[in-house]
Amino acid sequence: QSALTQPRSVSGSPGQSVTISCTGTSSDVGAYNYVSWYQQHPGKAPKIMIYDVTKRPSGVPDRFSGSKSDNTASLTISGLQAEDEADYYCCSYAGSYTWVFGGGTKVTVL
Amino acid sequence: EVQLLESGGGLVQPGGSLRLSCAASGLTFSNSVMRWVRQAPGMGLEWVSTISHSGTFYAESVKGRFSISRDSSKSTLYLQVNSLRAEDTAIYYCACANLGAYRFDYWGQGTLVTVSS
Repeated sequence: QSALTQPRSVSGSPGQSVTISCTGTSSDVGAYNYVSWYQQHPGKAPKIMIYDVTKRPSGVPDRFSGSKSDNTASLTISGLQAEDEADYYCCSYAGSYTWVFGGGTKVTVL
Repeated sequence: EVQLLESGGGLVQPGGSLRLSCAASGLTFSNSVMRWVRQAPGMGLEWVSTISHSGTFYAESVKGRFSISRDSSKSTLYLQVNSLRAEDTAIYYCACANLGAYRFDYWGQGTLVTVSS
């Protein structure tokens, strides 16, 4: 499968909102409500932030929210904070027990 | 607290082999779906393989060369990597989730595999 498409970078000032898009196809993002998002700080392991398109694991701030429309999923970070500066990856189930990740988006807090 | 600890990475020549391990604790290993994900230097994440009650599954890029297995008595996940190529150079992470969960809940810190002559 081809990787999901994400913007290389997004940026915002503290307190602002940023949205990261994740575009797939009708065989992955569009076919299943199994999109998840991961935050990765430099040199660290990824951490799950959103699963099943909109759900937040325990401990993840409610500033993080997810949505999906057709073949595109989105992650919104509201009230941007310095610690949100990291790489973010979307991931979708692609059927037949396979998975596809996005190329990653670097979020910069100005 | 769930902990995953990978080991077994290292420098290997093209065509060589390694066995990666992931020791799990703090979870019911037999009720968990276990996966390997890799990240080439400076690049994004790539799903590599999954093992669950439904069987074993592989990305096309590694099919026929990599083999995933688990030892429930040791709560340990393995990835046998054979016929290694330069493009297999990456940090290999193990990740887990409850059976039936379509996500990667917990991640280890990764083990680096470098394929070079």
